[in-house]
Amino acid sequence: KAGVTQTPRYLIKTRGQQVTLSCSPISGHRSVSWYQQTPGQGLQFLFEYFSETQRNKGNFPGRFSGRQFSNSRSEMNVSTLELGDSALYLCASSLGATVAYEQYFGPGTRLTVT
Amino acid sequence: AQTVTQSQPEMSVQEAETVTLSCTYDTSESDYYLFWYKQPPSRQMILVIRQEAYKQQNATENRFSVNFQKAAKSFSLKISDSQLGDAAMYFCAYRGSNTGNQFYFGTGTSLTVIP
Repeated sequence: KAGVTQTPRYLIKTRGQQVTLSCSPISGHRSVSWYQQTPGQGLQFLFEYFSETQRNKGNFPGRFSGRQFSNSRSEMNVSTLELGDSALYLCASSLGATVAYEQYFGPGTRLTVT
Repeated sequence: AQTVTQSQPEMSVQEAETVTLSCTYDTSESDYYLFWYKQPPSRQMILVIRQEAYKQQNATENRFSVNFQKAAKSFSLKISDSQLGDAAMYFCAYRGSNTGNQFYFGTGTSLTVIP
């Protein structure tokens, strides 16, 4: 089975622009979670989607949004980029939306905001 | 919110020796899972080992084992016969049944393996 894939792997954007990142979960997985990793704040939870519904959201401003499609693929969008949004964005997928299900991480998208 | 604390930002170990990484956590939940993840320079998060809180027996995976002290809220990772490929950042993480499906991660321990 193919693992979790994230596209693009690397991205450079300018402050004020917006960006969309994509995550394709493992086939059959219906839950997708997103995390931001920065040297200063570490790994922080952004949001989780299950069957196209946002189930949980972390403490991030409204500039960060996401969605999930009927095929379980998920996208996250960051509008009005700030320098502090430079980070590695990781997504993780699992079969279900409870802690009993294993989560599998993708390779991440490295976003650089200049 | 749940907190996970890793008090060792950096550790080093001689090849073939044993090293223990420390982790403590704070929770009022009874149903939760604890994890150790490895993040090499490729940045891919790799699951090393996981422990279910209701299981008293410590989890083991080949050269990796944990010392789970539930009352003390401690969850340390022991790596035996350390290999060069073990060099990476190691994150301790928590997931609880009543706090959503999200991970709460520690700040990480950077492990260096000395040949």
